[in-house]
Amino acid sequence: AQTVTQSQPEMSVQEAETVTLSCTYDTSESDYYLFWYKQPPSRQMILVIRQEAYKQQNATENRFSVNFQKAAKSFSLKISDSQLGDAAMYFCAYKPQAGTALIFGKGTTLSVSS
Amino acid sequence: DGGITQSPKYLFRKEGQNVTLSCEQNLNHDAMYWYRQDPGQGLRLIYYSQIVNDFQKGDIAEGYSVSREKKESFPLTVTSAQKNPTAFYLCASSIKSRNTEAFFGQGTRLTVV
Repeated sequence: AQTVTQSQPEMSVQEAETVTLSCTYDTSESDYYLFWYKQPPSRQMILVIRQEAYKQQNATENRFSVNFQKAAKSFSLKISDSQLGDAAMYFCAYKPQAGTALIFGKGTTLSVSS
Repeated sequence: DGGITQSPKYLFRKEGQNVTLSCEQNLNHDAMYWYRQDPGQGLRLIYYSQIVNDFQKGDIAEGYSVSREKKESFPLTVTSAQKNPTAFYLCASSIKSRNTEAFFGQGTRLTVV
């Protein structure tokens, strides 16, 4: 079965610092898609970043970047220059090539202090 | 504006009652999904539908039912058979092709009283 594991239930960071959230996944497929979603206190799910497994280059969106290690099945999210508005729960998600439904990890709650 | 609308935002159910959560989208997406979110559990898939009049069970379908009579609508019924229905429910939709993300509604908080 395909699974997504987020081993850090909670993380904290100071404003302007950098933090990395971990995610590993288990699959036997070679082509798939990975996502990071943010869920702020409003509980609205917001897409942060997307990575296609066949692309070697790590995805980047402004202050958010990923470290995608396909052989290790690892997909970590780095947040640079952290801001108070980054405080949220972050979910890692996997989507198989067959294009069914996203499979989510259990989430990491990120707190940001000033 | 295009988006996904879930209603109601809060719902209270008495023991033994069935309740229906609404999900409507105007994004012209083929696929729609229902997830349940519990503290510490992440999002777990209840049901999904790739086309009208067809749907598949997810990991935790027991005690739930769905219908997909229109492309825009994917209502979820929480039946009395669901033993622990108190949770936050999220509806999502996506384009059918594999490389697209899912877009989410704002959720419904269901509480059994």
